[in-house]
Amino acid sequence: KAGVTQTPRYLIKTRGQQVTLSCSPISGHRSVSWYQQTPGQGLQFLFEYFSETQRNKGNFPGRFSGRQFSNSRSEMNVSTLELGDSALYLCASSLVFGNNEQFFGPGTRLTVL
Amino acid sequence: QQQVKQSPQSLIVQKGGISIINCAYENTAFDYFPWYQQFPGKGPALLIAIRPDVSEKKEGRFTISFNKSAKQFSLHIMDSQPGDSATYFCAAVLQGAQKLVFGQGTRLTINP
Repeated sequence: KAGVTQTPRYLIKTRGQQVTLSCSPISGHRSVSWYQQTPGQGLQFLFEYFSETQRNKGNFPGRFSGRQFSNSRSEMNVSTLELGDSALYLCASSLVFGNNEQFFGPGTRLTVL
Repeated sequence: QQQVKQSPQSLIVQKGGISIINCAYENTAFDYFPWYQQFPGKGPALLIAIRPDVSEKKEGRFTISFNKSAKQFSLHIMDSQPGDSATYFCAAVLQGAQKLVFGQGTRLTINP
């Protein structure tokens, strides 16, 4: 069974641009969560989705948004990029919401110049 | 109350030794405690997890010890190998929720 896939793996953007990151969960998994990983702040929760509905959102500005499609694939968008948005963005999937076993993808490394 | 505190930040252990990483939490509503292992350039991989009704769980060389009254849990890696060199994260999840609250991570180095 294929794991969680994230595209693209690497991305370089400039300040003010916007970016869309994609996540395909493990086949059959219906819940997707997103995390930001930086050396200074560690792993921080962004948002989680189940059945195309955002169930919870972390403490990030409104420039960070996401959505989930009917096939459980998810995208997150960051608008008006800032230098501080440079990070590894990780997606995790689980079978259903509240099923605590979560499996991470390899992440998308975003660099904002 | 949502925090998970992890120590040490870095740890060096000789091959064949025991690696011990500790975590502490405040919120008693946490009811799932996983450990993740992350290699450079990779996403975190689920290693082992425990619920508060169990005091210990062992999978191969990896053991979680859980002390509910002290609100602490720890990861023990027996017979540590150079291939275990990675960053380890503890985490906690609230009952009925999905969100992982992570500790700050421990960079483990196993010297050959």
